[in-house]
Amino acid sequence: DAGITQSPRHKVTETGTPVTLRCHQTENHRYMYWYRQDPGHGLRLIHYSYGVKDTDKGEVSDGYSVSRSKTEDFLLTLESATSSQTSVYFCAISPTGVSPLHFGNGTRLTVT
Amino acid sequence: GENVEQHPSTLSVQEGDSAVIKCTYSDSASNYFPWYKQELGKGPQLIIDIRSNVGEKKDQRIAVTLNKTAKHFSLHITETQPEDSAVYFCATQGGGSARQLTFGSGTQLTVLP
Repeated sequence: DAGITQSPRHKVTETGTPVTLRCHQTENHRYMYWYRQDPGHGLRLIHYSYGVKDTDKGEVSDGYSVSRSKTEDFLLTLESATSSQTSVYFCAISPTGVSPLHFGNGTRLTVT
Repeated sequence: GENVEQHPSTLSVQEGDSAVIKCTYSDSASNYFPWYKQELGKGPQLIIDIRSNVGEKKDQRIAVTLNKTAKHFSLHITETQPEDSAVYFCATQGGGSARQLTFGSGTQLTVLP
């Protein structure tokens, strides 16, 4: 899968707790993305990064923050998880940002 | 922002028949149109894409057509096989907010043996 590892693959957490999801790539690609996938909505962009310490918001960024201190790692943090953030989260990478995107295998997050 | 509508949401075909999935988009500046296939428990994988200066592209049993005037594009799969069963997503990339793809809501394709 284009050298992308997402961790954890599954997580159950309680409302109000902080959660961090990790995306690690071995391709040295400049662009990294976080998407969430929900039934009936396809994939929606949360945040993306176009270089180390360079990030920007996507369509559904409220309640999420990201950090990228190294080329290979892109972290997604839910500061205080809510039930509406129950979803499958996908990380994607791209060398140029002009597609194609290569996706990881996702993290299934359940907030109870 | 861009709005992408995908139809149908579910599609069942007999093995060997053709399948067609259609998407419409709203941003006339969109210039890149990929299609992704997602198998159960995995991330989406690019299967074919087309740019705005091309009307049709084919790769073996898969083809994509683009009508920029009408702002719609379609995925055509011929001689379907059971391994084609998956969720398919269309997407667009616009000229405005670059580096971002906007996805359709997906089509669950089932190929019946």
